[in-house]
Amino acid sequence: QVQLHESGPGLVKPSETLSLTCTVSGYSISSGFYWGWIRQPPGKGLEWIASIFHNGNTFYNPSLKSRVAISVDTSKNQFSLKLTSVTAADTAVYYCARGGSTWFLNYWGQGTLVTVSS
Amino acid sequence: QSALTQPPSASGSPGQSVTISCTGTSSDVGAYNHVSWYQQHPGQAPKLMIYEVNKRPSGVPDRFSGSKSGSTASLTVSGLQAEDEADYYCSSPAGSNNYVLFGGGTKLTVL
Repeated sequence: QVQLHESGPGLVKPSETLSLTCTVSGYSISSGFYWGWIRQPPGKGLEWIASIFHNGNTFYNPSLKSRVAISVDTSKNQFSLKLTSVTAADTAVYYCARGGSTWFLNYWGQGTLVTVSS
Repeated sequence: QSALTQPPSASGSPGQSVTISCTGTSSDVGAYNHVSWYQQHPGQAPKLMIYEVNKRPSGVPDRFSGSKSGSTASLTVSGLQAEDEADYYCSSPAGSNNYVLFGGGTKLTVL
């Protein structure tokens, strides 16, 4: 069974870089499909951030593209998110997920709350 | 790019049917047959309920169905049950099929 688990600091200072890692078990990242990050500000809706395919192709939300990077470490079966120059507006629960054959997301981590505050 | 448009709330009594709409444009919902729907209970991660407009993942009851007409997709929940009370989000690829938009979410209340 595919399982995903997010990890990283729960508190980040304004203007700094938010770094999160998603550890995947039950499936090899290099075997196929795509992997992504989605966030949800407290009390608000979902926002897609970025995705990376098993072949290394990356796709980014145009509104975040200048600040976001997604990468994969196949040796650790992990993928990561970096978001630079964070502000309070980046406070959210961050989810990692696995995609299917098209743009749907069929396996999700439990999410991790990241608060941006000094 | 703007989020897809969903009604903020919907409701129905147990056993009834309710339909939630998701309106986009010719550059997203209207351009691709890849609309997905997610169910989210409070404090939990979203769960995929419908993908590619009208396909159900294994384990999702057939009370959930999806459709699309033009730039508007719909999720119908038939035979409402108490456990269906949750937030529902639609999503669609957009642009040149190179990013994803979510709807703003609809809170479904079972009366």
